[in-house]
Amino acid sequence: QKEVEQNSGPLSVPEGAIASLNCTYSDRGSQSFFWYRQYSGKSPELIMSIYSNGDKEDGRFTAQLNKASQYVSLLIRDSQPSDSATYLCAVSRGKSSGDKLTFGTGTRLAVRP
Amino acid sequence: DADVTQTPRNRITKTGKRIMLECSQTKGHDRMYWYRQDPGLGLRLIYYSFDVKDINKGEISDGYSVSRQAQAKFSLSLESAIPNQTALYFCATSDDIGDTQYFGPGTRLTVL
Repeated sequence: QKEVEQNSGPLSVPEGAIASLNCTYSDRGSQSFFWYRQYSGKSPELIMSIYSNGDKEDGRFTAQLNKASQYVSLLIRDSQPSDSATYLCAVSRGKSSGDKLTFGTGTRLAVRP
Repeated sequence: DADVTQTPRNRITKTGKRIMLECSQTKGHDRMYWYRQDPGLGLRLIYYSFDVKDINKGEISDGYSVSRQAQAKFSLSLESAIPNQTALYFCATSDDIGDTQYFGPGTRLTVL
């Protein structure tokens, strides 16, 4: 079993729809959870971080964490073609990104105009 | 100017050659990381360093070595390159309390 699992996609959604990206992790000692966006040929950049159970919203993005189910998700509302990218889920046993991160393989999102 | 730079950006080399990839940062962070990215395998940690005197192996350190020359510089070496080390290599930095690791632009390495 991989430590961090994501569906590789592609996930295709029409413009304006909600995109739902999912991630499960195996290490129950994980404390910090991150979503990075990576455009083709570019480096990853942080979209959201979440540290406690529940929802965290930032603009069109909402991260959801359920530690009991070892599940973290990212919702993108009003999806735009510019959201088309690969989304990487990352987890850490530490309390910040300053500890080791374990990444999933990423989910490719395609937003159709 | 970019906060995290990597040189070279692209490199083609032959099996058995020694290669060094360099990373420099101006963010003043103590923590630096080297990852490789392969299609379908995501980002995997090679080595990480929490300060100049603290260097640790990641999940795939075999065939690689690193040097932390200063707070701002962290180099990755392939002592004898082999074709399955063909990948995209990223350097990243962070502080000890922040939300994010900051990634460099990447080095695309091809070993023939």
